[in-house]
Amino acid sequence: EDKVVQSPLSLVVHEGDTVTLNCSYEVTNFRSLLWYKQEKKAPTFLFMLTSSGIEKKSGRLSSILDKKELFSILNITATQTGDSAIYLCAFCGGSNYKLTFGKGTLLTVNP
Amino acid sequence: GAVVSQHPSRVICKSGTSVKIECRSLDFQATTMFWYRQFPKKSLMLMATSNEGSKATYEQGVEKDKFLINHASLTLSTLTVTSAHPEDSSFYICSASDPGLATDTQYFGPGTRLTVL
Repeated sequence: EDKVVQSPLSLVVHEGDTVTLNCSYEVTNFRSLLWYKQEKKAPTFLFMLTSSGIEKKSGRLSSILDKKELFSILNITATQTGDSAIYLCAFCGGSNYKLTFGKGTLLTVNP
Repeated sequence: GAVVSQHPSRVICKSGTSVKIECRSLDFQATTMFWYRQFPKKSLMLMATSNEGSKATYEQGVEKDKFLINHASLTLSTLTVTSAHPEDSSFYICSASDPGLATDTQYFGPGTRLTVL
């Protein structure tokens, strides 16, 4: 059975800290891995990763995929209170492009 | 680009009534849309995959007669919760893929909070 495991489940840091969120997966037909940020409403897209070792970067956020070890990390540097959210990792597999989500990491950034 | 809207954002209904939720892709054509359900402090659970012009594909354990999905056009999919009961109260989110951008990336609507009394 395909599964996505995220860790930690929750994390509390202070503004300015750097955080690393982890996502490991066991899937039978891997196409891509995606990261989303969910605040009060629906998730917003952050990154899509398909190739190992190539870092994707957007401002203070970056992510990388390791297809050999079957994991991905999401880094956030110089965290701000606005980074507080649930960060979801999902893999896309199969012919119908459906996403399977992990349980998410609840990040709280305190001032 | 890649904006998805949902309507209504919040609905409260009595037990036994049916509720329709609309999902629209505003600036692209979505051949495939997805419907998710999310319980408090839980992750998104895929309910069904909606394909334009054909029947939806439901995930295991999701009652197709209870959750009717119609994808009549390339920009609109609807989810109807029939004979709603309090246990159907949840956050329902749709998403759509834009084949013109990156097929794997799904863009989510803002969600619909359903409360069944």
